[in-house]
Amino acid sequence: NAGVTQTPKFRVLKTGQSMTLLCAQDMNHEYMYWYRQDPGMGLRLIHYSVGEGTTAKGEVPDGYNVSRLKKQNFLLGLESAAPSQTSVYFCASIRERDQETQYFGPGTRLLVL
Amino acid sequence: GIQVEQSPPDLILQEGANSTLRCNFSDSVNNLQWFHQNPWGQLINLFYIPSGTKQNGRLSATTVATERYSLLYISSSQTTDSGVYFCAASGGYQKVTFGTGTKLQVIP
Repeated sequence: NAGVTQTPKFRVLKTGQSMTLLCAQDMNHEYMYWYRQDPGMGLRLIHYSVGEGTTAKGEVPDGYNVSRLKKQNFLLGLESAAPSQTSVYFCASIRERDQETQYFGPGTRLLVL
Repeated sequence: GIQVEQSPPDLILQEGANSTLRCNFSDSVNNLQWFHQNPWGQLINLFYIPSGTKQNGRLSATTVATERYSLLYISSSQTTDSGVYFCAASGGYQKVTFGTGTKLQVIP
């Protein structure tokens, strides 16, 4: 198993550009999450999904959209990037609600100029 | 939502020393996890421990749910234990809240 993978690992964007971050898991997990981590802070939940075709807002959803068209993939989109979205983005998944700890991907470093 | 506070924010240990990290949470939880973020940024699961005590090698964790805290014990610390330790809690799957972490540096 590859576990949770994220694409790309690093990206530089100009303000106003758009991009999509891809998270993929091969563990048949139902629940998937997108977090952002900023210096000196813990992780903050952006959006999450409890199954294929479902998405919901987390703590800091503004400026992001997500889609879960396939169970194994969870996409995070930035329609018009802003410098405030410079961060490290982590994807995570769990098999069942409250049954297991989360498995994290390696992270995507995003710099918005 | 649930508030999660971790202490201490920073910790420097001599190799071989023991330490206790604390996580306080503001409400009842049914999910409490400890993670280690290594110096390369990778987040590694340590414990899923909404209540009770678990041990894994030199690490152990105890959660007292009724008193709303969890402790992570590191014994005989090694330089490879350096990094940031996060506690994360939720009352359900949808609102997982992370603490701001304890940054641990183990010096030889």
